Amino acid sequence: QKEVEQDPGPLSVPEGAIVSLNCTYSNSAFQYFMWYRQYSRKGPELLMYTYSSGNKEDGRFTAQVDKSSKYISLFIRDSQPSDSATYLCAMSHTGGFKTIFGAGTRLFVKA
Amino acid sequence: DGGITQSPKYLFRKEGQNVTLSCEQNLNHDAMYWYRQDPGQGLRLIYYSQIVNDFQKGDIAEGYSVSREKKESFPLTVTSAQKNPTAFYLCASSLGRANTGELFFGEGSRLTVL
Repeated sequence: QKEVEQDPGPLSVPEGAIVSLNCTYSNSAFQYFMWYRQYSRKGPELLMYTYSSGNKEDGRFTAQVDKSSKYISLFIRDSQPSDSATYLCAMSHTGGFKTIFGAGTRLFVKA
Repeated sequence: DGGITQSPKYLFRKEGQNVTLSCEQNLNHDAMYWYRQDPGQGLRLIYYSQIVNDFQKGDIAEGYSVSREKKESFPLTVTSAQKNPTAFYLCASSLGRANTGELFFGEGSRLTVL
């Protein structure tokens, strides 16, 4: 079993839709939860960063962490064609020395 | 502008050749990392370095080597011992030595073995 599971998609939605992206994990030691966005042929960029459980909102993006269920989500409101990218969940803990990434979900937002 | 510069962007190699990928950062970050990305597999850690003149193997270090002689530089050599080197290689850095997961990535280098 992988430490982090993420549905690779692809996920195709119309412009303006609400998008829900999810990951599950198995290591209860994870404390830091991230979402990275990666455009084609580019490096990933940090989109959302959450410590421990709870919600975090930044503009059209909301990240949720449920440590009891070992489940994290990213919601995108009013999705735009420019949101078309691969979204990678990632997690880490200070007791370890590496960040574990999900496989990434490819999102297409159609105009 | 501060950031991470990887070169070359595209590289072709014949079987049996060693190649070196460059990674330079001007963010004054302590830690640097090399990841490999293959379709459907996410990012896998090759090597990381938390301090100059020290580095550690990641999950898939076999067939790769690194050096960290300067804080701003962390080159990766893909040796002929790497069985399947065709991939997208990403260099990253983080501010402190403790891994909080906040990584800054370069634009990547795509290596193709002919």
